Amino acid sequence: GIQVEQSPPDLILQEGANSTLRCNFSDSVNNLQWFHQNPWGQLINLFYIPSGTKQNGRLSATTVATERYSLLYISSSQTTDSGVYFCAAAYSGNTPLVFGKGTRLSVIA
Amino acid sequence: NAGVTQTPKFRVLKTGQSMTLLCAQDMNHEYMYWYRQDPGMGLRLIHYSVGEGTTAKGEVPDGYNVSRLKKQNFLLGLESAAPSQTSVYFCATRTALYSNQPQHFGDGTRLSIL
Repeated sequence: GIQVEQSPPDLILQEGANSTLRCNFSDSVNNLQWFHQNPWGQLINLFYIPSGTKQNGRLSATTVATERYSLLYISSSQTTDSGVYFCAAAYSGNTPLVFGKGTRLSVIA
Repeated sequence: NAGVTQTPKFRVLKTGQSMTLLCAQDMNHEYMYWYRQDPGMGLRLIHYSVGEGTTAKGEVPDGYNVSRLKKQNFLLGLESAAPSQTSVYFCATRTALYSNQPQHFGDGTRLSIL
């Protein structure tokens, strides 16, 4: 099955800094999603991005499917960005997602 | 999260007890999933369903059973709880109508087995 690896496992940022989170996956996928788990444990979908680039405010994501990786960019980080960011991949939209172990982000004021 | 409701939110059980976790959704989604989240492990799929009356095993199905008698509900059962099943359980749903739609998660159930 698909293997999903995320890096770094932990990241500490000063408020206002930028960061890049990486997700590598082992097979060709047609379903790649990024999630944010906030400090209260809620999981929020950020992007559905099997290929290409998308932006939503200060967050953007790029997936290079041919090279089997995806990047999540956070610009001008805020304390509310803290939490765990998960990448998840699947062969198709109809097969279950496989999650990476996440990147724990702490943004300090 | 709007649309996916998990009950209960917290539960403490003794080893050997049984219980059922309920996931209810009002989005008319075909796909429903049960995950468990353990520290440093990410989310691991327990069981899933692609429609009413269907279920399938995920990555870590042992010790759990599921049922999907109604489209809007997906039940996760522990017949004889073990301390290794202490975890946070998440339910998720997704539509089958379009392949480019994300999964929606419930707020989780924190389960402790003593």
